[in-house]
Amino acid sequence: NAGVTQTPKFRILKIGQSMTLQCTQDMNHNYMYWYRQDPGMGLKLIYYSVGAGITDKGEVPNGYNVSRSTTEDFPLRLELAAPSQTSVYFCASSYLDGGGETQYFGPGTRLLVL
Amino acid sequence: EDQVTQSPEALRLQEGESSSLNCSYTVSGLRGLFWYRQDPGKGPEFLFTLYSAGEEKEKERLKATLTKKESFLHITAPKPEDSATYLCAVTDSSYKLIFGSGTRLLVRP
Repeated sequence: NAGVTQTPKFRILKIGQSMTLQCTQDMNHNYMYWYRQDPGMGLKLIYYSVGAGITDKGEVPNGYNVSRSTTEDFPLRLELAAPSQTSVYFCASSYLDGGGETQYFGPGTRLLVL
Repeated sequence: EDQVTQSPEALRLQEGESSSLNCSYTVSGLRGLFWYRQDPGKGPEFLFTLYSAGEEKEKERLKATLTKKESFLHITAPKPEDSATYLCAVTDSSYKLIFGSGTRLLVRP
């Protein structure tokens, strides 16, 4: 299993441009998540999905959109990029594990908006 | 509001010098507490899940414990390869992870 894969690894955007961050998992997990991590900080949830066709906002959804048409894929769309969206983006997936969840993370996409 | 606070922010140890990292939390209806390890430029790597007060889990030189208000990650006789950022996170009934800001651990040979 490849686990959770993300593309691209690194991208530079100009202010106002748009892009899609790709995330794919091959573990047949129902739950998928997008986080952003700013330097020296923990991860903040942007959007999540509990299954194909079902998505919901996390803590910091403004400026982003998601879709989930298949179990495997959960792309994150940035519209009108702003410098405040410079960050490292992590995708994760999970399965229910007892009373909680164990989330498995991808390697991240580093985004710089200039 | 659910909150996770980790201390210290950074910790420097000599190889073999044992210590503990703290994670205090405030959450309504804790479903699970998670410890992750994150190396520079990589995604978080799962270490442990704890579900109830009094629970303990071990993996090599790491041992995680849980009380009703905090969790400790004990590192026994650390090695330089244990250097990383250790992240704590909790889930409530929504299954969303709430992360602390992490403890950066440096183990010097």
